Amino acid sequence: GQSLEQPSEVTAVEGAIVQINCTYQTSGFYGLSWYQQHDGGAPTFLSYNALDGLEETGRFSSFLSRSDSYGYLLLQELQMKDSASYFCAVWAGGSQGNLIFGKGTKLSVKP
Amino acid sequence: GAGVSQSPRYKVTKRGQDVALRCDPISGHVSLYWYRQALGQGPEFLTYFNYEAQQDKSGLPNDRFSAERPEGSISTLTIQRTEQRDSAMYRCASSPTSSRETQYFGPGTRLLVL
Repeated sequence: GQSLEQPSEVTAVEGAIVQINCTYQTSGFYGLSWYQQHDGGAPTFLSYNALDGLEETGRFSSFLSRSDSYGYLLLQELQMKDSASYFCAVWAGGSQGNLIFGKGTKLSVKP
Repeated sequence: GAGVSQSPRYKVTKRGQDVALRCDPISGHVSLYWYRQALGQGPEFLTYFNYEAQQDKSGLPNDRFSAERPEGSISTLTIQRTEQRDSAMYRCASSPTSSRETQYFGPGTRLLVL
């Protein structure tokens, strides 16, 4: 089967740094994406890693280790508006159209 | 510019009725995807199109579900003889290329089957 594992909930305080991990088992691998979803909203794209290493976009960074089938999303200088669910998603590649999404990590940022 | 739009935003129907859900992707986007999302879960893939061609429909739960994108733009997801278990949020996404790197999601259609 194909699966992605990520923590169900994470809590942190404003201004802190939080890391959300994602491990995956898929039949193929082309890349790992991260999406943010606020309650009642649509998922919005944050980042994509196809190669090993760290990608930085402002306060958010995403890391991938293909050999470990592992990635993480790093959120720095947390703000209250970062409270949301975060999903990792794997594109297994080939003719398969689907991104395989994890179940999501609910991040709560406290003052 | 305009994002992905979906209509209706909410649909309540009785069991056994057919429903058609519409997705209007971002203009010029090549690929269009349909997902179903249960509360507290990640989106679950249903099907996707490149232009007007349906490339993968492996996620459609059964033959009551079908989708089309006849002119390579607007898409319709149709559910025939709806059942209560079909109740969910149905989301559409589009991407500018056939790469699955970045998908832009619409607001979704909340379907409730009574």
